[in-house]
Amino acid sequence: DQQVKQNSPSLSVQEGRISILNCDYTNSMFDYFLWYKKYPAEGPTFLISISSIKDKNEDGRFTVFLNKSAKHLSLHIVPSQPGDSAVYFCAARDDGSSNTGKLIFGQGTTLQVKP
Amino acid sequence: DTGVSQDPRHKITKRGQNVTFRCDPISEHNRLYWYRQTLGQGPEFLTYFQNEAQLEKSRLLSDRFSAERPKGSFSTLEIQRTEQGDSAMYLCASSLGNGNTIYFGEGSWLTVV
Repeated sequence: DQQVKQNSPSLSVQEGRISILNCDYTNSMFDYFLWYKKYPAEGPTFLISISSIKDKNEDGRFTVFLNKSAKHLSLHIVPSQPGDSAVYFCAARDDGSSNTGKLIFGQGTTLQVKP
Repeated sequence: DTGVSQDPRHKITKRGQNVTFRCDPISEHNRLYWYRQTLGQGPEFLTYFQNEAQLEKSRLLSDRFSAERPKGSFSTLEIQRTEQGDSAMYLCASSLGNGNTIYFGEGSWLTVV
């Protein structure tokens, strides 16, 4: 059962435009969400996060929006740059009763920003 | 570089052999995680340490897999009698307590031939 889903395997946008990456989750107990960026043959790099008590968090060109009622979050990149081309993973913190802080990841969306 | 460090970065092994990966977390991070990533999928949780105690293991971690963190600093992940299905990237991550960002290493690629 995929608790975190990124339904778009790929996205292509023009340089300077907005990139919107989407993520849906099923577990209403998730309390913290993160976005990671990954280049081939490298580990994921943390981008931005949001607590479930907020609906928006902004950091430079990156903004994450959280809609708890819809169990949906999105990452906006404005303006998109060719260096943003990578795989983007949405992740949710699943503490459960054990307080491990482990993350549940989506399948990833490959973003290509064309010059 | 004070990030999470993993070694080796790449390992090719024959089926049936044992392999061991090492992870050095960010200094003073008390939480350490191992994840596995296969092509086209997101990272999947394998196991978690708080200091030297292994507190949770995923069902993905069969009895051929063992992880240790003997002094609460570096960790090792050993895979015994490797199978072709073990081919994946093994990612180590660390964080300082809960409620904080988890930082990943570069990963260790395993290819079982």
